[in-house]
Amino acid sequence: EAGVTQFPSHSVIEKGQTVTLRCDPISGHDNLYWYRRVMGKEIKFLLHFVKESKQDESGMPNNRFLAERTGGTYSTLKVQPAELEDSGVYFCASSQAREGSHLYGYTFGSGTRLTVV
Amino acid sequence: GNSVTQMEGPVTLSEEAFLTINCTYTATGYPSLFWYVQYPGEGLQLLLKATKADDKGSNKGFEATYRKETTSFHLEKGSVQVSDSAVYFCALRRNSGYSTLTFGKGTMLLVSP
Repeated sequence: EAGVTQFPSHSVIEKGQTVTLRCDPISGHDNLYWYRRVMGKEIKFLLHFVKESKQDESGMPNNRFLAERTGGTYSTLKVQPAELEDSGVYFCASSQAREGSHLYGYTFGSGTRLTVV
Repeated sequence: GNSVTQMEGPVTLSEEAFLTINCTYTATGYPSLFWYVQYPGEGLQLLLKATKADDKGSNKGFEATYRKETTSFHLEKGSVQVSDSAVYFCALRRNSGYSTLTFGKGTMLLVSP
């Protein structure tokens, strides 16, 4: 089975520009998560989708970040306008919706390394 | 709230040395505990997990035991290899409903021949 796929793997943009990150979860996984690691710090939770609905978006840093998951398949995370502090690695993960799923870890993608200059 | 504290890196070892990466946590209730690994150029991979006190997770020669009394989940390996060089993340997840992972800052391991 294909894993979680993220595009692009790297992105370098100027401050003030817009960037859109994409995540394709494992087919059939209802849960999709976005996490971010700023250099040298913890990997922090951003957002959780269950199918197309936002289950928890308490980790979104501000309104410059917009996540969507139309149709409950792939998801996009748009940063507009990007600021220097948005630089980091953005990870996407997915998991199945089943009883006891909270006992397991997720399947993560390789991440998108975003650099804002 | 939940938090995870890991030892600072980088940890530099020679091949075949013994490895310990310390991890302690703060959480309400009894969470599940995980170690993830990120090899250079790759994504996060689940290395091992433990879902209740005294459980031992193990994989690829790595082990970690869920210690409720010390709120710890230290990662150990008896003999590291160069291929173990990576960043290791300790994490926890609450055992109910939809819950997210809380990570530590990660510990870089560098193993030299």
